[in-house]
Amino acid sequence: EDQVTQSPEALRLQEGESSSLNCSYTVSGLRGLFWYRQDPGKGPEFLFTLYSAGEEKEKERLKATLTKKESFLHITAPKPEDSATYLCAVPSSGGSYIPTFGRGTSLIVHP
Amino acid sequence: NAGVTQTPKFQVLKTGQSMTLQCAQDMNHNSMYWYRQDPGMGLRLIYYSASEGTTDKGEVPNGYNVSRLNKREFSLRLESAAPSQTSVYFCASSSGSRETQYFGPGTRLLVL
Repeated sequence: EDQVTQSPEALRLQEGESSSLNCSYTVSGLRGLFWYRQDPGKGPEFLFTLYSAGEEKEKERLKATLTKKESFLHITAPKPEDSATYLCAVPSSGGSYIPTFGRGTSLIVHP
Repeated sequence: NAGVTQTPKFQVLKTGQSMTLQCAQDMNHNSMYWYRQDPGMGLRLIYYSASEGTTDKGEVPNGYNVSRLNKREFSLRLESAAPSQTSVYFCASSSGSRETQYFGPGTRLLVL
């Protein structure tokens, strides 16, 4: 069974305090890994797609990396506006390839 | 482009009442999805439509029905609402099942 596990469930940082969020997955034949950001009361918003181990993508203070078993979302010198829930998703190994979502990491950045 | 739109934004129902949640996308996407999001449970797939004319069950389909009205529109119907269906419902679309999903703003449903 495909599984996507995110850790930690919640993370509190001071402004400027860098950290990483983890997304580990068990799926046969990775067909991509997606990162989304979700603000309170809104729908998830796409951040990155990673397709192969070793791949990295950056956007402002965020950098996503991928290995064969997990992905990290590194947040460098975060600001309060980075506060959100971060979700990762992996297409299922069944024929539908419908994404399976992790439960998310709730990030709060204090000024 | 509006992206993915959902109506209504908020709804209160009594147990046993029925309602339809509407979703439309203007990105010419083939695939559309309905999710529910509950605290601590993450996003769970209710139904999806890989292409116009097809629908399939997801992880939690019981108590729901869907209709892919055309390429743009995908509706979710609760025939007899139950308190366990209190949740936030998100519609999403993508060009294909392995592609990036684009989400609507959500419908917050309270069943009393």
